[in-house]
Amino acid sequence: DQQVKQNSPSLSVQEGRISILNCDYTNSMFDYFLWYKKYPAEGPTFLISISSIKDKNEDGRFTVFLNKSAKHLSLHIVPSQPGDSAVYFCAASDSGTYKYIFGTGTRLKVLA
Amino acid sequence: EAGVTQFPSHSVIEKGQTVTLRCDPISGHDNLYWYRRVMGKEIKFLLHFVKESKQDESGMPNNRFLAERTGGTYSTLKVQPAELEDSGVYFCASSQEHNPWMTQYFGPGTRLLVL
Repeated sequence: DQQVKQNSPSLSVQEGRISILNCDYTNSMFDYFLWYKKYPAEGPTFLISISSIKDKNEDGRFTVFLNKSAKHLSLHIVPSQPGDSAVYFCAASDSGTYKYIFGTGTRLKVLA
Repeated sequence: EAGVTQFPSHSVIEKGQTVTLRCDPISGHDNLYWYRRVMGKEIKFLLHFVKESKQDESGMPNNRFLAERTGGTYSTLKVQPAELEDSGVYFCASSQEHNPWMTQYFGPGTRLLVL
């Protein structure tokens, strides 16, 4: 049973527009959430994170929103750039195990 | 500072053979993790070392998989004998401390194909 779900396998966005990537989770014990970005033939690289005590965290063009009641988080990229084209993984962790549970990823393509 | 390195980058073996994957974490990182991604699916946790000790191996699929980290530096993951379903990308990650807000740095992965 998958605890972290990314229901959109792919997303295409025009350069300069907003990219919104979504993630849902089922385990209410999760209290820390992360986004990783992955380019082909490379390992995932950390992008941004958010603790469950917050509902928003911003870092430059990247903002993560957390809706605990809906068990939903999203990553906003504004403005989107062609270099943002990659696979984005959502991950969650709880204070008990500290293990990262990843989603299946969303492939973002930013069109020039 | 060198990142996490993994060797080999690719491995193609036949069912029943043995394969050993190696991971060198970032220097000074006591925590080392192994993950696996089967094509199109999630990145799945396999196990976690703190120095040379296995802290959590709850994600190891079965006893055909053996991970070691002698001396608390590099780690190896051996698959013996390999089965078709073991194909996938094996990632290693390391972190200074074991808590969610301490970033895990991933290596480039080893792509394993079992024929």
